[in-house]
Amino acid sequence: AQSVSQHNHHVILSEAASLELGCNYSYGGTVNLFWYVQYPGQHLQLLLKYFSGDPLVKGIKGFEAEFIKSKFSFNLRKPSVQWSDTAEYFCAVTPKAAGNKLTFGGGTRVLVKP
Amino acid sequence: NAGVTQTPKFQVLKTGQSMTLQCAQDMNHNSMYWYRQDPGMGLRLIYYSASEGTTDKGEVPNGYNVSRLNKREFSLRLESAAPSQTSVYFCATRSGGTREEQYFGPGTRLTVT
Repeated sequence: AQSVSQHNHHVILSEAASLELGCNYSYGGTVNLFWYVQYPGQHLQLLLKYFSGDPLVKGIKGFEAEFIKSKFSFNLRKPSVQWSDTAEYFCAVTPKAAGNKLTFGGGTRVLVKP
Repeated sequence: NAGVTQTPKFQVLKTGQSMTLQCAQDMNHNSMYWYRQDPGMGLRLIYYSASEGTTDKGEVPNGYNVSRLNKREFSLRLESAAPSQTSVYFCATRSGGTREEQYFGPGTRLTVT
C-alpha cells in the first residue's frame, strides 16, 4: 500500500517570506499527485494536481509544485506568502491504476504572521 | 449548485448511541467517499462507492457502515458510537476516469463522550 509523508507538521512564517512544504510518497508504480488546502473552518479545496507531462505544475493563488520522480517527492512552493495563506496543507497520492482511492499525508499547518 | 452537502454540521453522541451522517451531491459524479480527519493523521478513507450500487472498504472501516442510496446520496452509519470515533468526517465525490480530482463537502464534527 502507498503512504505519504509530510515532514513539517507546523510552519510559521512572516508575510512575504517564501514557503516550501515537503511531500514524499512510497509507491513503486506511477501515481497521480495532489495538493489540497484547508482554510480555517472550511473544507478541502484543490490547489494543484499532477498527472503527467511537465513536472512543474502551477496551481491557484500563486502556488506551484515540482514532481521529482527519482526522489518520490512532490514539494509545494510559493515565493511570497500572504496572511491569507494561513491554512493546513495536505499532499495526496493515488496510483494511476486505482484512481479511486486517495492516500493523504498528515498535513502541515502553516501560520503566516502579518 | 450546492456541490457536496453534509448534514449535520455538528453532533454530540454518548457512547453506544447510533447515528447516520448524510452526504448529497448535485455534481452528477459517479464516485463518492467518506473520510475521517484526525490531527496529525491527515484524512483516512473509511468507505467509498465507485458507482451507484457498489461500496468498498477503505483504510479504516471498522465500526462503520455505508449505503449508496442512489447516485446523489451516500450515507455513513455508526451503529454503536465509541470515543475513538470522535473526529471530523468529510464526504467527497469524483466524476470518474483516472484524471479527476475529488471534491469535498464541508464536514461533520462528531464528538462521542
